[in-house]
Parts: sequence; C-alpha cells; structure tokens
Amino acid sequence: DADVTQTPRNRITKTGKRIMLECSQTKGHDRMYWYRQDPGLGLRLIYYSFDVKDINKGEISDGYSVSRQAQAKFSLSLESAIPNQTALYFCATSGTSGDSYEQYFGPGTRLTVT
Amino acid sequence: KQEVTQIPAALSVPEGENLVLNCSFTDSAIYNLQWFRQDPGKGLTSLLLIQSSQREQTSGRLNASLDKSSGRSTLYIAASQPGDSATYLCAVRPGAQKLVFGQGTRLTINP
Repeated sequence: DADVTQTPRNRITKTGKRIMLECSQTKGHDRMYWYRQDPGLGLRLIYYSFDVKDINKGEISDGYSVSRQAQAKFSLSLESAIPNQTALYFCATSGTSGDSYEQYFGPGTRLTVT
Repeated sequence: KQEVTQIPAALSVPEGENLVLNCSFTDSAIYNLQWFRQDPGKGLTSLLLIQSSQREQTSGRLNASLDKSSGRSTLYIAASQPGDSATYLCAVRPGAQKLVFGQGTRLTINP
C-alpha cells in the first residue's frame, strides 16, 4: 500500500463550488505539505503543517484553506473554486531531522474547474 | 529569493548512453537538495537526497553531486534505459521545511 494517499484522484467541478482534497499518510511523519503543479510554473507550496497544532501559509495560499485533523491527515479546501485553480495537486510528508527531511509525495489529484 | 534552474528543459538520447542532468540554485545557504522523478500524470518519486554537508549520493545507476559554493548539482545516469524516460526535478530546501523546485528536465531515452 502507498505511504501517502490522496483522494479523489481526479475531480471536475464548477466555478463557485466548494471542494475538499484529502491526504492520508502511514509514514508516521509529523510534517505535511500541499503543493500545486502547473505547466511552466513548476511546483509551488500552498500550505504546510509541522504538527496538528501548526499550520503555515506557503507562497500561494490565497483562495485555499487547510485542516490538519490528525497526524496522518491533512486536507486542502477550495471554498469557492475558480478556473485558474485548475492544476495537479500534491500532498507530501517529511520527518524532522537528517535524512528524514526527505519529502515523500502522494500520487496527486487532478482538479479541473469549469 | 531562492531560484532553481534546470537546463536543458528537454533531452533525448539513445539507449545505453551515460548522461548528466544539471541543476543550479541562486543561494548556497541550503539544508539539502533532492532529486525526483515524475512520470506523466503521476506523482513524484524521490530518487536521492543530498545533505548540505555531503558531496554526492549514489543509488544504483544514479549518482547525484552537490557543489554548494557554486550553486550546482548534477544527476548522472549510467547506461540509460527506455524506462528512465520521465521528467527529473531538482529541489532545494533553503530553510524551514519548504522545497523550492526547478522546472524539470524531460528526458527521453530512445530504444
């Protein structure tokens, strides 16, 4: 079984709808991240969480919110989706020292906003 | 602001060749550098992590080097195979926990 899972894998939604993307991990990592990937722009950090009580904005947090429900679960919400939020979204996890800083990524969610 | 550049954006080579992918970054104050592989429409697979105190890491046919002072890293792939075809991403960790990614090099290995 995959260490980092994301649901749904694909989603098409309409402008203005609320949508939640979910991420779960079995690696026992404290730190979790949400990124989006756009052609020509690479991967950009949306939010990250160092533990269940710690949430931090990344470089492109506007229009997004997150919830860290447990050590293993980190969800990303789009309160009112807009077409320029169409992208591939990745969740990632990492540990807290040395080689455990290595980030592990989920398979991604392809989101299309029409 | 840390910026990561990967050149070339695309590379096509015949099977069996040894090849080098390049990554450069603007600020040498990094904690580590990570190389990833991404297959089309798929997630990122971590290939190698080099800590700032290390010069290189090896895994099978892959060898990554790091020269912090010059802001460069290379990923060497020996005896390339068609299954190596993918996009290779370089990312540096400048501080806290964020990673700053390059745009990637799309590699095609021709049988």
